[in-house]
Amino acid sequence: GESVGLHLPTLSVQEGDNSIINCAYSNSASDYFIWYKQESGKGPQFIIDIRSNMDKRQGQRVTVLLNKTVKHLSLQIAATQPGDSAVYFCAEIFSGNTPLVFGKGTRLSVIA
Amino acid sequence: DAGVIQSPRHEVTEMGQEVTLRCKPISGHNSPFWYRQTMMRGLELLIYFNNNVPIDDSGMPEDRFSAKMPNASFSTLKIQPSEPRDSAVYFCASSLDGSTDTQYFGPGTRLTVL
Repeated sequence: GESVGLHLPTLSVQEGDNSIINCAYSNSASDYFIWYKQESGKGPQFIIDIRSNMDKRQGQRVTVLLNKTVKHLSLQIAATQPGDSAVYFCAEIFSGNTPLVFGKGTRLSVIA
Repeated sequence: DAGVIQSPRHEVTEMGQEVTLRCKPISGHNSPFWYRQTMMRGLELLIYFNNNVPIDDSGMPEDRFSAKMPNASFSTLKIQPSEPRDSAVYFCASSLDGSTDTQYFGPGTRLTVL
């Protein structure tokens, strides 16, 4: 499949453990954030989003935390599974309907 | 729902040749977005449309790149002439009404320019 980024930061996690993927975003005025998952050979897939008026949002096995003070976003994956192996991107929207700005991505590798 | 359809999935061409990438947005969506992904620059927005009109083309690298939306269910990205530095994976995403926060990505076209 397509190689997204051979030089991406990589997080290796044991199957069943929790994963935390971090992202520093660029614009303190950004008001909407999304985490995407990209598996080899596929396009990015929406995982979870959060608006700037929130600091935490939970989905199924995933939680996004937003710290606006330090412009930091994190994605927590509970009970990591082999199928979670992928590259994860954070994306931000500065305001309104402006385009998404994507971060560089983190490769998550799950060790069975 | 077939999702976003892109063709071809892989394209290998020689420098100087014209390349046309195709995108069929999700049925009912009228806003295709074109992205380019490389190891060095990550995922970059090139251009997006709403109702057949380009909304933002500031990401288009240079005049060699052009994009069209000839009808509500089809978009093309053309590179003429192609150069080796254009080698990348090109993604099309679609949204219902041009909203940038809800985009669904296609599988991408891997372009290699020799």
